[in-house]
Amino acid sequence: QKEVEQNSGPLSVPEGAIASLNCTYSDRGSQSFFWYRQYSGKSPELIMFIYSNGDKEDGRFTAQLNKASQYVSLLIRDSQPSDSATYLCAVGHYGNNRLAFGKGNQVVVIP
Amino acid sequence: DAGVIQSPRHEVTEMGQEVTLRCKPISGHNSLFWYRQTMMRGLELLIYFNNNVPIDDSGMPEDRFSAKMPNASFSTLKIQPSEPRDSAVYFCASGFSYEQYFGPGTRLTVT
Repeated sequence: QKEVEQNSGPLSVPEGAIASLNCTYSDRGSQSFFWYRQYSGKSPELIMFIYSNGDKEDGRFTAQLNKASQYVSLLIRDSQPSDSATYLCAVGHYGNNRLAFGKGNQVVVIP
Repeated sequence: DAGVIQSPRHEVTEMGQEVTLRCKPISGHNSLFWYRQTMMRGLELLIYFNNNVPIDDSGMPEDRFSAKMPNASFSTLKIQPSEPRDSAVYFCASGFSYEQYFGPGTRLTVT
């Protein structure tokens, strides 16, 4: 079982809709959870982090964490063409700064 | 803040040659990470340093790869000898606690 899994294929959403991305992780000791956005040909950019169960909102982005079910999700409200990118889920463990990354989900926002 | 600086941005070399990638982390960050990204394998952690000390190098593919961090503001990743399968984008990231911020990457092509 992979440490961090993002299984969904490319996600196409119309402009203005909500994009929903999911990520599961295998280590119950995981303590920190991150979402990175990566535009084609660019480096990953940190957009959200969450440490506690529940929701965390930042502008049009909401991160949701459920440690009991071992999943973290990212919602993008009012999707814009500029949101078209690959979104990487990353998970950290207590005691070290190492992050495990999923392979990413591509989002395409259709004008 | 200038962000994480990497050089060169592109490197094309022939098989068997030595390649050295360079990274200047964000001032004040105490952790530095080297990643490799390919389409097939996604983003892989090669090695990371805390306070200039290598902590986890389990991701280094083989003895051909080596990394150093002689001081808080500079790190190198060396590949010797290089092979075509080393072709990838190499990212350096720096951070504190769990948050990591990526440099622009070096695109390495080994022919």
